[in-house]
Amino acid sequence: EVQLVESGGGLVQPGGSLRLSCAASGFSFSTYWMSWVRQAPGKGLEWVANINEGGSEKYHVDSVKGRFTISRDNAKNSLYLQMNSLRAEDTAVYYCARGRVEYSSSTFDYWGQGTLVTVSS
Amino acid sequence: DIQMTQSPSTLSASVGDRVTITCRASQSISSWLAWYQQKPGKAPKLLIYKTSSLESGVPSRFSGSGSGTEFTLTISSLQPDDFATYYCQQYNSYSWTFGQGTKVEIK
Repeated sequence: EVQLVESGGGLVQPGGSLRLSCAASGFSFSTYWMSWVRQAPGKGLEWVANINEGGSEKYHVDSVKGRFTISRDNAKNSLYLQMNSLRAEDTAVYYCARGRVEYSSSTFDYWGQGTLVTVSS
Repeated sequence: DIQMTQSPSTLSASVGDRVTITCRASQSISSWLAWYQQKPGKAPKLLIYKTSSLESGVPSRFSGSGSGTEFTLTISSLQPDDFATYYCQQYNSYSWTFGQGTKVEIK
């Protein structure tokens, strides 16, 4: 069974940093693109970042470029999102999601339960 | 970046109704469009990928169509479990974007 479990969310002050983790199991993690998607309270979905299966290709939405970095450790079956210089508008539930097709950027077929990040003083 | 616009934002319907949601892209995305269903407090669930392909386990009352810049999600006969928010998503480029969502409410 495919499982994605996020952790690392919490309350952080504006300008602070946080590192989210996503532990993957039940599939061959090293052969799938992975992504982070967020959802602000009461709002819609926003794609945040993608990374290819080997970690050599990374893409980030413009609003987080230079502040957030996606990475992965295939030996640990884990996905990460390093978030620096956090702003109030980064407050959201952050979901980890798997690309649907091996070795290919695609839509998302499995999602974690999400971890809440709150940026507030 | 490619913008995705859904309509309507809210839809009131009854069980058994045929429901159609539209999604328009700001430029051509070929057939690289997906639809998700989300219920309160839950992660999104993939319904349809590549415009019209039904994800495994999704009921056949859901269908998708379109190409280029205009796409539709149709629920042929609305069931009680279908009251939720629906999102389209383009994955044509390396900057994925979602529509703003369509909430399907009980009439």
